[in-house]
Amino acid sequence: SQKIEQNSEALNIQEGKTATLTCNYTNYSPAYLQWYRQDPGRGPVFLLLIRENEKEKRKERLKVTFDTTLKQSLFHITASQPADSATYLCALVRTGGFKTIFGAGTRLFVKA
Amino acid sequence: EAGVTQFPSHSVIEKGQTVTLRCDPISGHDNLYWYRRVMGKEIKFLLHFVKESKQDESGMPNNRFLAERTGGTYSTLKVQPAELEDSGVYFCASSHLAGGSTDTQYFGPGTRLTVL
Repeated sequence: SQKIEQNSEALNIQEGKTATLTCNYTNYSPAYLQWYRQDPGRGPVFLLLIRENEKEKRKERLKVTFDTTLKQSLFHITASQPADSATYLCALVRTGGFKTIFGAGTRLFVKA
Repeated sequence: EAGVTQFPSHSVIEKGQTVTLRCDPISGHDNLYWYRRVMGKEIKFLLHFVKESKQDESGMPNNRFLAERTGGTYSTLKVQPAELEDSGVYFCASSHLAGGSTDTQYFGPGTRLTVL
């Protein structure tokens, strides 16, 4: 069956460290993969998109990698800050489609 | 520029009643999406409008759910009659380009629906 898996356990890190979140998928052929941030009581906010033919994308302190052989994306936040504490969602769109399929998200806590 | 707005923010109804959720997308956005998050689960796609036409409604759970987007502006999602398992947070999102599958989707804050 088709699945997107993110670490269900919360990730706790110290301010200033790099947070790394994992997204694995099975039985999909994604055209591209997205990462969103969601705060309590709010809708997801788009952060980064990476296409199937791209290995890495960066935006300020954020970096996303995409390995279609491993069927995995890694999301990194460098020099993390308490304000980065949120739930981070991985989502993909299949080749030829528009439907966005979300993972359940990983909760990140950054301690000062 | 105003973001995506949803109304109401919360709704508590009894099983068997009808509820209508409303979404106002960002002005000029042709694409409008509805999603739902049931507690403890991932956000799931319900349907996609391009202007007033339903592009993909494969995620709609059953025929108790009816979505409309008359005139290609705001959209409504009606649940009739509501069942307990319909409880969750309903999100609406919009994006700009018709046919642009890599468009950034802008999400509203969601409507929390509780069916008792």
